[in-house]
Amino acid sequence: AQKITQTQPGMFVQEKEAVTLDCTYDTSDQSYGLFWYKQPSSGEMIFLIYQGSYDEQNATEGRYSLNFQKARKSANLVISASQLGDSAMYFCAMREGYSGGSNYKLTFGKGTLLTVNP
Amino acid sequence: KAGVTQTPRYLIKTRGQQVTLSCSPISGHRSVSWYQQTPGQGLQFLFEYFSETQRNKGNFPGRFSGRQFSNSRSEMNVSTLELGDSALYLCASSAGTWETEAFFGQGTRLTVV
Repeated sequence: AQKITQTQPGMFVQEKEAVTLDCTYDTSDQSYGLFWYKQPSSGEMIFLIYQGSYDEQNATEGRYSLNFQKARKSANLVISASQLGDSAMYFCAMREGYSGGSNYKLTFGKGTLLTVNP
Repeated sequence: KAGVTQTPRYLIKTRGQQVTLSCSPISGHRSVSWYQQTPGQGLQFLFEYFSETQRNKGNFPGRFSGRQFSNSRSEMNVSTLELGDSALYLCASSAGTWETEAFFGQGTRLTVV
């Protein structure tokens, strides 16, 4: 079973509008971290936002916020006021806390390609 | 504060050769992880080093190896290159526990011909 599922291969949004990128995860660990990264065509993986499993409040970083619904095992990324420069691939990732030695690696989803239209 | 530095940015190698990639983590970070990204397989974990010790390894053949030095810089080596090794290789730097953020370098794009 996939540990990270991103169901939207591609998304389109108009400049200045908000967009939500979906991410669901699967883990039996109580301790885990969820990450979102942006990868422009240049290839660099840019860290956007982090949410720990014990964090009670949703993480926010500027125009990025993470809608964390623990019971549903979802960690959606919300980008407010989209800009043309937001066009990129977006990856959701998870690092589990104590799962049999895998606790030091990030497991990535397949990504969502976001296109911001002027 | 300097970010994660990967060198070289681009490489072209011939089948059968070997290659060494380098990653310098953020100052103070003791964990370096390596990932391979291909269009077909996506992002796959190679291995992770913390304080010069490999803590975890992904499902890659033994041709893929790595090491970490006392200054936390890490190298990844691929021997007997195959066409399928063509990929973007990314390294991630973090403090080393599950709850800490992980930052990536710009990657090394390896092409095997």
